[in-house]
Amino acid sequence: SYELTQPPSVSVSPGQTARITCSGDALPKQYTYWYQQKPGQAPVMVIYKDSERPSGIPERFSGSTSGTTVTLTISGVQAEDEADYYCQSADSSNTYYVFGTGTKVTVL
Amino acid sequence: EVQLVQSGAEVKKPGESLKISCKGSGYSFSSYWIGWVRQMPGKGLEWMGIIYPGDSETRYSPSFQGQVTISADKSTSTAYLQWSSLKASDTAMYYCARQDGICGGGLCYGSWGQGTLVTVSS
Repeated sequence: SYELTQPPSVSVSPGQTARITCSGDALPKQYTYWYQQKPGQAPVMVIYKDSERPSGIPERFSGSTSGTTVTLTISGVQAEDEADYYCQSADSSNTYYVFGTGTKVTVL
Repeated sequence: EVQLVQSGAEVKKPGESLKISCKGSGYSFSSYWIGWVRQMPGKGLEWMGIIYPGDSETRYSPSFQGQVTISADKSTSTAYLQWSSLKASDTAMYYCARQDGICGGGLCYGSWGQGTLVTVSS
C-alpha cells in the first residue's frame, strides 16, 4: 500500500528554521496536510492544501511542494513547537489516505 | 462549536468483540466525513478509514480492510469503530476526527475527539 516517508527527527535551536520533508509518489497529484501532535494530546492541523494555514496557526508555519517531496517549514522556531509532525495525503487513485511516518522536532 | 466526544477506555481480552463510539455535535453530522486514526503506544498515526454519514459511503485503508468495521448512526450523530475478535496488537489509542470544510473535497481532519484507549490483554 501507499507510503509517505519522513525523517525520524529534526533538531533545531530556538529562532532557527526547521524543515521537515515528506516524500511520496502521488504527492505531485494530491494535496498534503500537516499535523502537529504534542505528548498526550490529539493532533492539530497546521497546514492544509500543501501551503495554506488554518485560522489560528502562527505565520511561522509554512508549506511548499516540489515534485514528489513536500516540506513543512517552521521559521523562527520556538520552544512550544517541540512536537511530532505528520504529513497526510491520498493515494494516486484518491481511494484512501495515509499519514507519514512522523518527525520528532526537538528544540535544543 | 464542533465537538467530538468519544467513549471511555476499554480493557478487553483477546478474541472479544468491541465497539467504540464518537458523538458529534455543533454541526450537521450527515454532511461531513468522520474518520478513525490508530496510534499504537509510542508510535505514529495510522489512517484506518472514514465514513460519510449522509449516505454511509465508507473507505478503508488496505491495512485495515477486513480487520475493523466503521459505521455511523445519523439519528444519534454517532460514528462507530468495531472489532469482531480483538488481538493484543489492537492495543492502541483510537481517535475519531472530522473532515474540515476548508479542505474542499480533501479528507483532512480539522476537529478531533479526545481519544479512546483500548487495551487488549489476557
